[in-house]
Amino acid sequence: ETGVTQTPRHLVMGMTNKKSLKCEQHLGHNAMYWYKQSAKKPLELMFVYSLEERVENNSVPSRFSPECPNSSHLFLHLHTLQPEDSALYLCASSQDMGLAYEQYFGPGTRLTVT
Amino acid sequence: GENVEQHPSTLSVQEGDSAVIKCTYSDSASNYFPWYKQELGKRPQLIIDIRSNVGEKKDQRIAVTLNKTAKHFSLHITETQPEDSAVYFCAASPAVDNYGQNFVFGPGTRLSVLP
Repeated sequence: ETGVTQTPRHLVMGMTNKKSLKCEQHLGHNAMYWYKQSAKKPLELMFVYSLEERVENNSVPSRFSPECPNSSHLFLHLHTLQPEDSALYLCASSQDMGLAYEQYFGPGTRLTVT
Repeated sequence: GENVEQHPSTLSVQEGDSAVIKCTYSDSASNYFPWYKQELGKRPQLIIDIRSNVGEKKDQRIAVTLNKTAKHFSLHITETQPEDSAVYFCAASPAVDNYGQNFVFGPGTRLSVLP
């Protein structure tokens, strides 16, 4: 499946590093999402973008900084992370917001903070 | 805000038996309830969904029921097969606001189908 892609698939970083996660969707969707999935926790919505405008920020620490330069690309910039930030970060997209459109998930980036 | 609970957290069934996973939600204004299946090491994928104006929906061996009064909905899998083994997430979508909706997910149920 190539609808929603994420890079890198695996990332190990130290607490002082700066890195970025990339998501790209080839579905012509207008909305994109970042989720965090950690062991024994449900999928947690972090950010929502609709037409490149951030519309949701669920009390996410400032060490996570999203960027949506266009409707096909979504980034998550990481800096001074903590070990508890180690998780699977999933990107998703949907046709639009305002109605209940299916969300298509990317394969995720497995992040380990050492 | 919306809160979604899901039970059981783990479920083992014999191949061919039925499996039922139940979710409850707290926001009576939620109007859309998708179910996602996540196989080990793979991304979540939508398997079935239901909207608040419908009480039941079926797709081959999978069905979902919704009780708006009680604020719970359930996933039913009949004639289970080993490939049904996965983690299943329910979700509820709160009412649309000025910007739209987001999903609140349940904690997941790990289903194991034993051959």
